[in-house]
Amino acid sequence: DQQVKQNSPSLSVQEGRISILNCDYTNSMFDYFLWYKKYPAEGPTFLISISSIKDKNEDGRFTVFLNKSAKHLSLHIVPSQPGDSAVYFCAASARQTGANNLFFGTGTRLTVIP
Amino acid sequence: GAGVSQTPSNKVTEKGKYVELRCDPISGHTALYWYRQSLGQGPEFLIYFQGTGAADDSGLPNDRFFAVRPEGSVSTLKIQRTERGDSAVYLCASSLNPIWYAESTHTDTQYFGPGTRLTVL
Repeated sequence: DQQVKQNSPSLSVQEGRISILNCDYTNSMFDYFLWYKKYPAEGPTFLISISSIKDKNEDGRFTVFLNKSAKHLSLHIVPSQPGDSAVYFCAASARQTGANNLFFGTGTRLTVIP
Repeated sequence: GAGVSQTPSNKVTEKGKYVELRCDPISGHTALYWYRQSLGQGPEFLIYFQGTGAADDSGLPNDRFFAVRPEGSVSTLKIQRTERGDSAVYLCASSLNPIWYAESTHTDTQYFGPGTRLTVL
């Protein structure tokens, strides 16, 4: 039962353009969301997060948008750079339940073309 | 400072053997997590330690899997009678505080190690 879904396994974008990665979730108890970036042979690296009390969080070139009614979040990268090429994982947790683990999506491989 | 480290980076074993995977968390981090990532999937939660105790082991697939953290720092994931289906990348993460503690801060951000790739032949 996949509670966090990333339906696009891959995405290619031209350098300088915007990359939009999408994520959907099914568990209404999720109240904290994160994006991780993963390079080959490395562990996931934390990128940006958002609490369910917000609908947007921005950090430099990275912005995460949360639509609670649609149970959907997205990560925008602008402008995209070749070094952004990696697998991006969406993750969620249910802090309000006291649960301690993260639930991850299956990832989206982003390729930024120079 | 040093990040989360895991050893070995690769482990090849035969079906039925016993393996131990080690995780060194970031110094001072009280919370430690083990995840397993199979090919084409995202990481899946196995177990969470707060200090020395396993506070949540609901993700362990069966009783062949066991983990310890005797001194509240280094953790070892132990797998008995390995099966081919156990082949995956085993990821360890640590955070300064657990998720439930850090409602309004980011001290619960989980930092991951590079993982141990386990192959069971």
